[in-house]
Amino acid sequence: QSALTQPASVSGSPGQSITISCTGTSSDVGIYNFVSWYQQHPDKAPKVMIFDVTNRPSGVSNRFSGSKSGNTASLTISGLQAEDEADYYCASYTTTNTYVFGTGTKVTVL
Amino acid sequence: QVQLQESGPGLVKPSETLSLTCTVSGDSINSYYWSWIRQPAGKGLEWIGRIYSNGNTKYNPSLNSRVTMSVDTSKNQFSLTLNSVTAADTAVYYCARIKRAGAIRYYYMDVWGTGTTVTVSS
Repeated sequence: QSALTQPASVSGSPGQSITISCTGTSSDVGIYNFVSWYQQHPDKAPKVMIFDVTNRPSGVSNRFSGSKSGNTASLTISGLQAEDEADYYCASYTTTNTYVFGTGTKVTVL
Repeated sequence: QVQLQESGPGLVKPSETLSLTCTVSGDSINSYYWSWIRQPAGKGLEWIGRIYSNGNTKYNPSLNSRVTMSVDTSKNQFSLTLNSVTAADTAVYYCARIKRAGAIRYYYMDVWGTGTTVTVSS
């Protein structure tokens, strides 16, 4: 299985909105609404920010939102803050009952 | 709250077997799916596989021939073995829980361990 495709980097100024894309196939992102997004700060474990494409776990800021169209899922961070600077990974459940992660996106707050 | 802690040797010789254990505290290991994920330094996350509390497993096809996972419910632990390791297996290894709420099964990792670094070198 191939990793889902994400842009290597995305940047924005404080207060702006940014969107990270995650492109898969009809065997993962396109067929299931089981896309999740993880935030990872340096030397820390990943933390789930979005699950099932659009849902936020309790405690996650509503500045984080998710969506999907076809084989591409997206994570939008609105009102960008310094603490949002981190790596972000998407993940999807697949038709072979496995999981696949995205290639990762480094978010920089200018 | 539930916590996960990885443990095992930090250094493994090439061609030998990597063995890690994840200890679950704060909740029972039963009725959950558990995953292993790894991350080479400076690179992305790779899903290694998952195991259910009854021992049912599913592995990443790219690692399938070298991976074995097991569970010990009496110790509230699950384990990973990866044989015939090479330098390419050098990574931080994470264990994680796949979310469940009652009878509802979810498909994401909601609790992660802090990770343990494994280096493959002679």
